[in-house]
Amino acid sequence: GENVEQHPSTLSVQEGDSAVIKCTYSDSASNYFPWYKQELGKRPQLIIDIRSNVGEKKDQRIAVTLNKTAKHFSLHITETQPEDSAVYFCAASKNNNDMRFGAGTRLTVKP
Amino acid sequence: SAVISQKPSRDICQRGTSLTIQCQVDSQVTMMFWYRQQPGQSLTLIATANQGSEATYESGFVIDKFPISRPNLTFSTLTVSNMSPEDSSIYLCSVEWGGEDTQYFGPGTRLTVL
Repeated sequence: GENVEQHPSTLSVQEGDSAVIKCTYSDSASNYFPWYKQELGKRPQLIIDIRSNVGEKKDQRIAVTLNKTAKHFSLHITETQPEDSAVYFCAASKNNNDMRFGAGTRLTVKP
Repeated sequence: SAVISQKPSRDICQRGTSLTIQCQVDSQVTMMFWYRQQPGQSLTLIATANQGSEATYESGFVIDKFPISRPNLTFSTLTVSNMSPEDSSIYLCSVEWGGEDTQYFGPGTRLTVL
């Protein structure tokens, strides 16, 4: 089955800096890659996703890139703000079956 | 996105008992999922619950321990049976919404087993 690895496990940046979180996946048939943000005590919230027919997607300060050949995808947050502090999870799935999540990255944005 | 609710939001239970968690969606959805999130950990898929068929369980999860019902397109239940302290976790339902693999999560049920 699919295996998703996520790095780093913790990330601390200064407000205004950029943050990058990287994930790799094992199943070349995976075709959907969402990113979720989970604040303490709350549900995971979908923030951006990308499909295997696209190499990059951007939504305001958030962007995701996908390298199918290398089987890795990354989340980029620019101009970070304290409210970006949360745990971020990447995931990979194949036709919405068997979605596997990375271990998570705890992002801290220092004011 | 769909509005998803879960009941109860939290519970404290004694070992050996069972708890049924409800997941309600405000729109009809084909696919619903149940996840477990242990303290400080990632999300692990327990099973996929499709209306009109048996739930499909992931490796490490069995129907006797986590029976699931899906009586219609807006509702599902997950029962945690014969609980032990190791079952203490957050249980989340999710739904596929928009027909494009996207999953949205319910608020979760925080379970503590003493």
